[in-house]
Order: sequence, then structure tokens, then C-alpha cells
Amino acid sequence: DAGVIQSPRHEVTEMGQEVTLRCKPISGHNSLFWYRQTMMRGLELLIYFNNNVPIDDSGMPEDRFSAKMPNASFSTLKIQPSEPRDSAVYFCASSDIGGAEYNEQFFGPGTRLTVL
Amino acid sequence: AQTVTQSQPEMSVQEAETVTLSCTYDTSESNYYLFWYKQPPSRQMILVIRQEAYKQQNATENRFSVNFQKAAKSFSLKISDSQLGDTAMYFCALMNYGGSQGNLIFGKGTKLSVKP
Repeated sequence: DAGVIQSPRHEVTEMGQEVTLRCKPISGHNSLFWYRQTMMRGLELLIYFNNNVPIDDSGMPEDRFSAKMPNASFSTLKIQPSEPRDSAVYFCASSDIGGAEYNEQFFGPGTRLTVL
Repeated sequence: AQTVTQSQPEMSVQEAETVTLSCTYDTSESNYYLFWYKQPPSRQMILVIRQEAYKQQNATENRFSVNFQKAAKSFSLKISDSQLGDTAMYFCALMNYGGSQGNLIFGKGTKLSVKP
């Protein structure tokens, strides 16, 4: 299995531009998580989906952020308009929740976003 | 609210020696898991070890072991025979399980440097 795939690995953009981050979870997993990592706040959950349905989006910082999961094999995190304070590493993770008591989350390599 | 606290922002250890990283947590749930993740400079999140809260026996994975004190809500990681490749950020994390839960709550991390 290729693991969780994220693209792009690096993104540099200017303030005000739209940014779209992409994630392909591990095949067969039913849950997908978006995390953001910054020096100040550490790793924090932005949103997670179960069976393509958003379950908890309380971590989404503001309306400029939106996430979608149109099918079981693809998710996007969009920032519009982007601001310098959005600069961070964004991780996507997937898991198979339900049934077994333990559900390891597998992380993608992350997208390093720099907003100038 | 559920929280994870790592009180040691940075630590260093000599190669081949033993080091212990501290973690405390708070949760009102009775069913949960605790994890230690390693993040090397490549920024890939790697699961090091996990502990089920209902198990009294401390988890062990080769050179890595934990000291789980449920009543004190403490979960420390011991690395024996430290190797240069252990140099990384280490994150303690909490996951409640059951139903559709499954997101991780991370501590701020401890930067570990192994010196030759």
C-alpha cells in the first residue's frame, strides 16, 4: 500500500491567494483527519470525516477554511483567502474506525504551506 | 476538556544512555488510548508505542517502554540505549475510542537530541 498521499509537499503562495491541499487516504479506511502543525500551537485537529461525512469541524479556524470529502478516496482542504498566519505544515491521516477497538491513524508526509 | 501536557520542551542524552520523556493528560473518558509519536526532521509522523488505558501492564517495544500511571494520569516514555537515529520531536497523544471517535489530541512535543 502506498500509504496516505498528500499533495503538494510544499506550497508557497502570496497573501490573498486561494490554496488547495489534497489527500488520498489508504484504501479501505473510513475516516480521514486533517491536522495543522505550527510552532506556537503544536499539532491540532482541524476536521475529521467518517464515511465521507464531516463529524467534527470545531477545529477549523474560521470561514476561510473549508474541507470536502467527495468520495472515500479523496479529500481537499481549501484556504481562501490565505493569510501569512496560515503558514504551517498540514497533515492528513486516515484510519479504519469501527469494529476493532484499536484504530491506528496513518499519517501522510504533510504539506508545508508558506504564505508570503 | 481533554488535554495533553509535555513539560519538557527539549532534552538531550548521550548515545547509549537512557532518557525518559514526561507526559500528563486529562480526560473524563474511561476508554482511551495513549500514544507516543516520533517526528524526525523528515517530518513524517511515526507511531512509537501505544497503551490501552484498561491494561495495567506497561507497553514495551524493543528499546522503548512506557510508565503508565492511570490514577496520576501520567504516561512517560523511556528510551534505552539511545541511538543517534532517535533524535527527533516526540509527541504524546490521547485518543478516546468508541463510536465514531478517533481523533488524536497531541501534546506540544519534546525535542530530543542524542549526542555522540
